Parts: sequence; C-alpha cells; structure tokens
Amino acid sequence: AQSVTQLGSHVSVSEGALVLLRCNYSSSVPPYLFWYVQYPNQGLQLLLKYTTGATLVKGINGFEAEFKKSETSFHLTKPSAHMSDAAEYFCAVSHSGGSNYKLTFGKGTLLTVNP
Amino acid sequence: EAQVTQNPRYLITVTGKKLTVTCSQNMNHEYMSWYRQDPGLGLRQIYYSMNVEVTDKGDVPEGYKVSRKEKRNFPLILESPSPNQTSLYFCASSWTGSFNQPQHFGDGTRLSIL
Repeated sequence: AQSVTQLGSHVSVSEGALVLLRCNYSSSVPPYLFWYVQYPNQGLQLLLKYTTGATLVKGINGFEAEFKKSETSFHLTKPSAHMSDAAEYFCAVSHSGGSNYKLTFGKGTLLTVNP
Repeated sequence: EAQVTQNPRYLITVTGKKLTVTCSQNMNHEYMSWYRQDPGLGLRQIYYSMNVEVTDKGDVPEGYKVSRKEKRNFPLILESPSPNQTSLYFCASSWTGSFNQPQHFGDGTRLSIL
C-alpha cells in the first residue's frame, strides 16, 4: 500500500520568509505526486503535480516542488511567504489500485503566515 | 465555469434520518469520487465511479451508498446516518481514471449527525 507522510501538522512563518512544507511518500512503483491547497471553507485546489519529466515542478502562486526519488520526497517551497498563502496544504500520491485511480492523501499541514 | 457543485453545503440532522448529498460536475468527466475529511486524518476515499453505472468501494465505504445513473451526477446516500459520520465531505471528478489526472473538488458539505 502506498502512503504519504507530511512532516509537521502546523508550520508558522513570517511574511517574506521561505516556506518549506515536507512530504515523503512510499511507493513500490513510480508515483505521480500532487500538492493541493485548501483555503478556509473551500475545496481543494491543485497547486502542482509531478507526473514524468523534469523533477522540479512549478505551480501556481509562486510555489514549486522537487521530486527526489532517492529520498522519496516531494517537498513544497516558496521563496517568500505572503499573507494570502495561509491555508492547509495536502500532499497526495496516486497509484493504480486495481481498477481505481486512487489518490492517497497526507494528513495535511496548516500554514500560518505572521505579519 | 468549470466546477463541481455539492448540495447542501451544511446540514445538521439526527441519527437514522436518511439523507442525500448531491454532486454534479459540468466538465463531462468520467471519473467521480467521494471523500471525507476528518481532523488529523486527511482525506479518505468513500466510493468512486469510473463511469456511468460503474461504482466501487474506497477505503471507508461502510454506512454509505452511491449511484451513477448520469455522467454528471454522483449522489452520496446515508441510509441511516450515525454520529460517527459527522464529517466534511468532498466530491471530486477528473477526465478519466488515469492516475496522472488531477482531480477537481467541490467546496465541501459539512454534515453534523446528532
């Protein structure tokens, strides 16, 4: 079974500081990896995804993530945090579970941005 | 506008009273899925549908039913709701069941079962 671990259920940064949200996965086959963001009272929105090709993936709102196979990691970064980045972030891995396209989510990391 | 629409957004009800949460997408997506989100547990899949009339269980299907009679609609049915089904529910859809396709999510339905 595949799994996703997000280190740190809550990360707090100052406005303008680097954002680093950690995600590690376990997979017996090449994974497809996603980061989703959830703003209060809203559904999940896709930030970025890794499928194949370049291991550094750029997403919306200045976020990027790097797929590191040797470390089984897919950490999310943003050079300079903005107040509007405050939200909950979910890392997810997809895999073929029989006939099911299944997304397995991490437990989420709540990002707060302090002025 | 491309979207996944869930109704109701909020519902408080009592144990045993049957309820249905509707989900509709306007993107002609083949794949649809229901998740529940609980604090500290992330999102867990309840049921999914690869296409019309094709549904199957996810990780936590107990106490839920679904149907897919039309491509755009995928209702979630709680025949006899219980307090442990109090949760935030999300419907999602994607073009196909391919595992490199991102899913599009609705805004969620918050259910409270008393």
